[in-house]
Amino acid sequence: SQTIHQWPATLVQPVGSPLSLECTVEGTSNPNLYWYRQAAGRGLQLLFYSVGIGQISSEVPQNLSASRPQDRQFILSSKKLLLSDSGFYLCAWSGYGTSNTEAFFGQGTRLTVV
Amino acid sequence: GNSVTQMEGPVTLSEEAFLTINCTYTATGYPSLFWYVQYPGEGLQLLLKATKADDKGSNKGFEATYRKETTSFHLEKGSVQVSDSAVYFCALSDPSNDYKLSFGAGTTVTVRA
Repeated sequence: SQTIHQWPATLVQPVGSPLSLECTVEGTSNPNLYWYRQAAGRGLQLLFYSVGIGQISSEVPQNLSASRPQDRQFILSSKKLLLSDSGFYLCAWSGYGTSNTEAFFGQGTRLTVV
Repeated sequence: GNSVTQMEGPVTLSEEAFLTINCTYTATGYPSLFWYVQYPGEGLQLLLKATKADDKGSNKGFEATYRKETTSFHLEKGSVQVSDSAVYFCALSDPSNDYKLSFGAGTTVTVRA
């Protein structure tokens, strides 16, 4: 069966520090991968989207970046965090070209920038 | 491009009341449609889905029917419980757009005993 792992679950970082959130998927190949951010009481904001290794689409201009060094690994990074980067970050994967194209989400990372 | 518009909340109901959350979509292709639920402090879970017109998805007493003529996928439950308190998201996956997922803004539902 497919599983998705996202870590860490919570993170408190000072302004100006770097960020690295990691997400890995098991049990499937060539998934679509997503990074979302959810501010408190708000909806989902799609940050990055990837259909394959090294293929990253940025949906919103910001000081975050994403990389996909392996087929089932998706990393969200920042060189210098801002206060406005605080939020709940969710990684997800979905199938491509199959009948099961729903997304499966990780448990999320709650990031607080202080 | 694709988009999903869902009823704004918050919605507050009494236990055993009827719940409807409206969702409409625009898509260039023939999308699959989903409802997700997010309980406090957790990630999103798939609640139900429908992959073609007139399909009805159902789970945990919730239902939604894929209506192509009205481009809608409204979520309904006949008798809500306190445990149904959560944020509900409508979403679509469009095969003509790399199966990229698009989500609505989410609707917060609170059920009071």
